[in-house]
Amino acid sequence: EDKVVQSPLSLVVHEGDTVTLNCSYEVTNFRSLLWYKQEKKAPTFLFMLTSSGIEKKSGRLSSILDKKELFSILNITATQTGDSAVYLCAVVTGTYKYIFGTGTRLKVLA
Amino acid sequence: DTGVSQDPRHKITKRGQNVTFRCDPISEHNRLYWYRQTLGQGPEFLTYFQNEAQLEKSRLLSDRFSAERPKGSFSTLEIQRTEQGDSAMYLCASSLGQGSQETQYFGPGTRLLVL
Repeated sequence: EDKVVQSPLSLVVHEGDTVTLNCSYEVTNFRSLLWYKQEKKAPTFLFMLTSSGIEKKSGRLSSILDKKELFSILNITATQTGDSAVYLCAVVTGTYKYIFGTGTRLKVLA
Repeated sequence: DTGVSQDPRHKITKRGQNVTFRCDPISEHNRLYWYRQTLGQGPEFLTYFQNEAQLEKSRLLSDRFSAERPKGSFSTLEIQRTEQGDSAMYLCASSLGQGSQETQYFGPGTRLLVL
C-alpha cells in the first residue's frame, strides 16, 4: 500500500533556530513530491520536487528530494513565529492520486 | 478571487441527515479532488475527477458517500445518513493536470459537525 511518513510529528523551537523536516515514502509509481504549509485553514503550496538532488529554494525555506533513498527534507533557516504551522508532504502517484503524510506540527517560540 | 471555492464553509447536522457540499475549482483546471481531514491528520484522499469522469474512489469510502462532477466544472459531495464519525473538514482541490508540473491548489474547506 502506498504510504508517506513524516517525522518528527511535532517540533518546538525558538526564533532563529534552523529546523529540518523529514518525509519518506513508499509508492508503486512515483511522479512527484510536494510540500504544503497548513495554518488554521487549507494547505498552501510550497514546493514541488521531481528530480533527485536539485534543491528548491524560496527565501528561508529549501527542499531536496532523494529518489534512491525515497525521502525528502524541508529546511527552514532563521525560523520566525510566523513559520508556526503544520507542514505536509504529499506524493503524487502515476495515476495522479495524492498521498499525504500526517504532517509535522512546528511551533516557533518568540 | 479566482481560487478554489467551497460552499458551505460550515455545516452542523443531526445524525442520520443527508448533507451536500459544493466545490468550484479554478476555471481552467481539469482535475478535481475531494479529501477528508481530521484533527492531527493529513488530508485523506476520497475521490478525484478528470473532467467529468470519476477516476478513482478510496476503498475506505463507504457507499454513503457519493460525488459528482456532471459538466466537468463544479463538483458536489453528498453524505447520506450522516454519522458522528463523519465530522471532519472536507477539502476540495483542483489541478491543471500538466504531467510533471502537476500541482494541487486547495479550497478553504467545509467543516462538518454531526451531532
